[in-house]
Amino acid sequence: DAGVIQSPRHEVTEMGQEVTLRCKPISGHDYLFWYRQTMMRGLELLIYFNNNVPIDDSGMPEDRFSAKMPNASFSTLKIQPSEPRDSAVYFCASRKTGNTEAFFGQGTRLTVV
Amino acid sequence: GDSVTQMEGPVTLSEEAFLTINCTYTATGYPSLFWYVQYPGEGLQLLLKATKADDKGSNKGFEATYRKETTSFHLEKGSVQVSDSAVYFCALDTGANSKLTFGKGITLSVRP
Repeated sequence: DAGVIQSPRHEVTEMGQEVTLRCKPISGHDYLFWYRQTMMRGLELLIYFNNNVPIDDSGMPEDRFSAKMPNASFSTLKIQPSEPRDSAVYFCASRKTGNTEAFFGQGTRLTVV
Repeated sequence: GDSVTQMEGPVTLSEEAFLTINCTYTATGYPSLFWYVQYPGEGLQLLLKATKADDKGSNKGFEATYRKETTSFHLEKGSVQVSDSAVYFCALDTGANSKLTFGKGITLSVRP
C-alpha cells in the first residue's frame, strides 16, 4: 500500500481565497483524522470520521473550516475564506478498528499571505 | 478529559549521549500508550507502543515502559545518533472513541 496520500504538499494562497486539502486513506482503514500542526499550538485534532461519518468536529476552529468524506477512499478539508492565521501544516491520518497504530500522510504545508 | 504532558524542549545532545524524554498522562480507564516520531519534512510515524501496565515498547534502540503507578511513559535511548534528530510525540488512546491524544511534542537535536 502507498500509505496515506495527501495533496497538495504545499499550497500558497492569498487571504480570502478558498483552499481545499485532499486525503486518500489506506485501503481498509475505517477511521480518518485531520490534524493541524503549528509551532504555537503543536498538533491539534480538527475532526475525525468513522466509516465516512463525522464523529467529532469539536476541534474545527471556525465555521470557515469544513470537512467531508464522500466515500471510504477520499476526504477533503476546506477553508473558506482563508486567513493568514490558518497557515500551518495539515496532516491526515487513518487507522483500522482494532489496530492501534495510526498512519500519517506527509502533510500539506499551507501558507496564506 | 484525557491529556498527555511532555517535558519542555528543545533538547540538544551530543552524539552517543543518553536520552530521556519525560511523558505523563491523565486518562480514564486503561489507555494504550505510544511514542511517535516526526523527521524533518515528514509526517508522524509510530516509534513504539505499549498496551498495558508494565509493558515495555522498544524499537531502533529506543525504549519506554508503561508505568501505571506513576502514569508515565518516558522515552529512553542509551546512545543517540545524529539521525535521531526529530520531533517526538507521546500519545495515548483509551479505545473509547479511537482517537489519539497527543502531547505537544519535543524537538531533539543531536550534534556530531
